[in-house]
Amino acid sequence: AQTVTQSQPEMSVQEAETVTLSCTYDTSENNYYLFWYKQPPSRQMILVIRQEAYKQQNATENRFSVNFQKAAKSFSLKISDSQLGDTAMYFCASLYDKIIFGKGTRLHILP
Amino acid sequence: ETGVTQSPTHLIKTRGQQVTLRCSSQSGHNTVSWYQQALGQGPQFIFQYYREEENGRGNFPPRFSGLQFPNYSSELNVNALELDDSALYLCASSLEGSYSGANVLTFGAGSRLTVL
Repeated sequence: AQTVTQSQPEMSVQEAETVTLSCTYDTSENNYYLFWYKQPPSRQMILVIRQEAYKQQNATENRFSVNFQKAAKSFSLKISDSQLGDTAMYFCASLYDKIIFGKGTRLHILP
Repeated sequence: ETGVTQSPTHLIKTRGQQVTLRCSSQSGHNTVSWYQQALGQGPQFIFQYYREEENGRGNFPPRFSGLQFPNYSSELNVNALELDDSALYLCASSLEGSYSGANVLTFGAGSRLTVL
């Protein structure tokens, strides 16, 4: 069975700093997908970044990048030059036959 | 291009009642999935519909059922409501589903259900 674990319930960083959110997962499959979603107070989940497991290169999207360690089953999200608008819940998720979300990390960006 | 819209945004029901939640998919999307997000938890996959047929289901009892219509809008029905059904219910649409990770999920803002 797939599982996704986010060990940091809550984090706070100063604006413009870099922050890394941790995620570990477990799956017996070889071809799967990993995602980070952001859920602001508006409740609407927004895709931040995605990674295909068969690709070794880490995905990047502007200020957002991942550190994908397939052997360790680790998929951390790095946010560079953090902005106040990055304040939100962040969910890590894995997808094989169905999508599984972690419990989330509440991120506060402080002015 | 419209996004995913859900209705109602909030509702309150009592134990034993039935509820129907509605979702309009993003234009051009043919797959819809539903999620239950309890307070302080991540979303849990309920089921997915592709071209009007259920093609995937999570660990939810049969009293959770759904429909997808020819225009790709969708309904989630929950019968015999229980207190633990209180949650935010999220709908997401995507194009050419069937668990392809290449398809990005576009989420609605959810319907918050409170069961008393």
